[in-house]
Formats: sequence, C-alpha cells, structure tokens
Amino acid sequence: QQQVKQSPQSLIVQKGGISIINCAYENTAFDYFPWYQQFPGKGPALLIAIRPDVSEKKEGRFTISFNKSAKQFSLHIMDSQPGDSATYFCAANKGDYKLSFGAGTTVTVRA
Amino acid sequence: DAGVIQSPRHEVTEMGQEVTLRCKPISGHNSLFWYRQTMMRGLELLIYFNNNVPIDDSGMPEDRFSAKMPNASFSTLKIQPSEPRDSAVYFCASRSRTGGNTEAFFGQGTRLTVV
Repeated sequence: QQQVKQSPQSLIVQKGGISIINCAYENTAFDYFPWYQQFPGKGPALLIAIRPDVSEKKEGRFTISFNKSAKQFSLHIMDSQPGDSATYFCAANKGDYKLSFGAGTTVTVRA
Repeated sequence: DAGVIQSPRHEVTEMGQEVTLRCKPISGHNSLFWYRQTMMRGLELLIYFNNNVPIDDSGMPEDRFSAKMPNASFSTLKIQPSEPRDSAVYFCASRSRTGGNTEAFFGQGTRLTVV
C-alpha cells in the first residue's frame, strides 16, 4: 500500500505555464518531504525538499507548498520550460528510515 | 565522487537463469537502498541496509530475491531463478545518516529484461 498518494498521473503544460503536482500522506510521523525529478534513462535526483515546520519553500522556479493540517504538499513549477519535461516523484520520510515514494507524475512541457 | 555506480546497465537473460545486480554506494554513505521501478507499480523499495546490516526487507517480492552488503562499498541483488515478471529497472541509492534527513542519491539503474 502506498503511503504517499500523488496526482495527477500526467500533465501537459505550455511553455511558460504553471505545473502543479499534489501529494497526500497519512503517517503524521513523516518529517521530511522531498521531490525527485527523473529524466528517461536516469535515476531520480533530488529537486527540492521541505520539513513540516515551514509552509513553503522556493528554489528558483520550483516551490513546495506544505499543509500540515491537511497532510498535503504540492510542487509548483513556474514558467515551465521544455527542459522540465520529466517524471516527478514526491516522497516522505521519517527520521533516517526509508523514503516512501508517490506513483510519479509525467510532466510534458510543449514549446 | 563518481556517485552511486551500478552494473551492469542493461541485462538480458533467459527465464530460470540467475541474475546478479551490483552497486557501489557513495563513499561515506552508510544507508543503502534497492528499488525496483515498473510502469505498473512505480518505485518500490525492495530492501534497506544501514551500516551493512539489512534493516527492512519487507519489499523483497519472494524468496527468489536476495540481497547482500558484505562491506560498506559494495552490495548485490540476486534473483534466482529469474522470471519474465522480474523485468524492470532496478535502482540502488545511498544516503548518509549523519545530520538528520539527507538526500538519497540514486544510481543510473540496471534495466533487466527476462525473456
């Protein structure tokens, strides 16, 4: 059973648009919420991460919004570029234990 | 650092054969993970090692799968006998436990095809 539920499965956005990916979790003990980006033929790589003591974290065009009471977090990609076309995974972690990954969202940015 | 190194990158084998996948974690990392990725099931954690000791192998699908970590710089995932449904991309990842939650670094993966 997946501990982190991710949606949508895929999305298409025009260049310059905003991509939004949502994740929800059940385990309130999770204390670390990373997003990974994966290009075809490559392993996932950390994109941005947040801890539950903050509600938002921004790095360049990528922003995580975190709602602790709703047990939800989301990734916003602003000014989406064709190079952002990839699969994005949300994940959650408790302490130094294993990462639980969402099912992944394939983002396609049309030029 | 060269990152997490996996070998082979691609493996094609016949059903019933033994397959061994190899992983060299990043030097100094003391946590190692084996994941399997398929279209149907996404990224599944198979097994997790801490300081070379298996901590959680609940994701290992069945007894045909086994994993070892004889030292801090090497791990193997073995499938014996292999079956077509084992076809997937297998990733190894490593992480340092120091400093609380830290980034898990993934290798390039091994694409396994069992025919």
